[in-house]
Amino acid sequence: QKEVEQNSGPLSVPEGAIASLNCTYSDRGSQSFFWYRQYSGKSPELIMSIYSNGDKEDGRFTAQLNKASQYVSLLIRDSQPSDSATYLCAVLNTDKLIFGTGTRLQVFP
Amino acid sequence: DTEVTQTPKHLVMGMTNKKSLKCEQHMGHRAMYWYKQKAKKPPELMFVYSYEKLSINESVPSRFSPECPNSSLLNLHLHALQPEDSALYLCASSQVRGPGNEQFFGPGTRLTVL
Repeated sequence: QKEVEQNSGPLSVPEGAIASLNCTYSDRGSQSFFWYRQYSGKSPELIMSIYSNGDKEDGRFTAQLNKASQYVSLLIRDSQPSDSATYLCAVLNTDKLIFGTGTRLQVFP
Repeated sequence: DTEVTQTPKHLVMGMTNKKSLKCEQHMGHRAMYWYKQKAKKPPELMFVYSYEKLSINESVPSRFSPECPNSSLLNLHLHALQPEDSALYLCASSQVRGPGNEQFFGPGTRLTVL
């Protein structure tokens, strides 16, 4: 079983819509969860971190964590073409950041 | 200053060459990391330094040799690499190791081994 799983996509949404990205993880003891955005040919950019159950909002981004279900999600409101990228879910396991394979998001005008 | 810098941006080397990748951060972070990322794959951890000491080596071949000269600098020395070592090499830093610490990545060095 993979430690961090994501749907590889592509997830295609129209401009202005809500994009919903999902991630599940296998280690129940995990405490720290992150979403990174990676444009093609660039390095990962941290966009959200979440440590407690519930929602955390930052601008157009909302991260949701449900530790009982071992589930993390990222909602992007009012999606823009500039949001088109690969979104990597990452879980901190002891000192190791374990990444999912990423979901490619395409926002079309 | 919330930036991690890496040099060079691109590197092409032969299998007999010796080269070094450099990483620098001025955020006062005490944990620094090297990751390797192949095309269309997620980053994979190679090494972790904490307070300038190597704390994790993810069974990386000895042709990769990390060095942390001080709290701001991290090097990766390369020797006798193979073509399959071609990848994007990413440096990251965090305040310290452990839960709740966000890792920030540099722009990476794209390495091609001929």
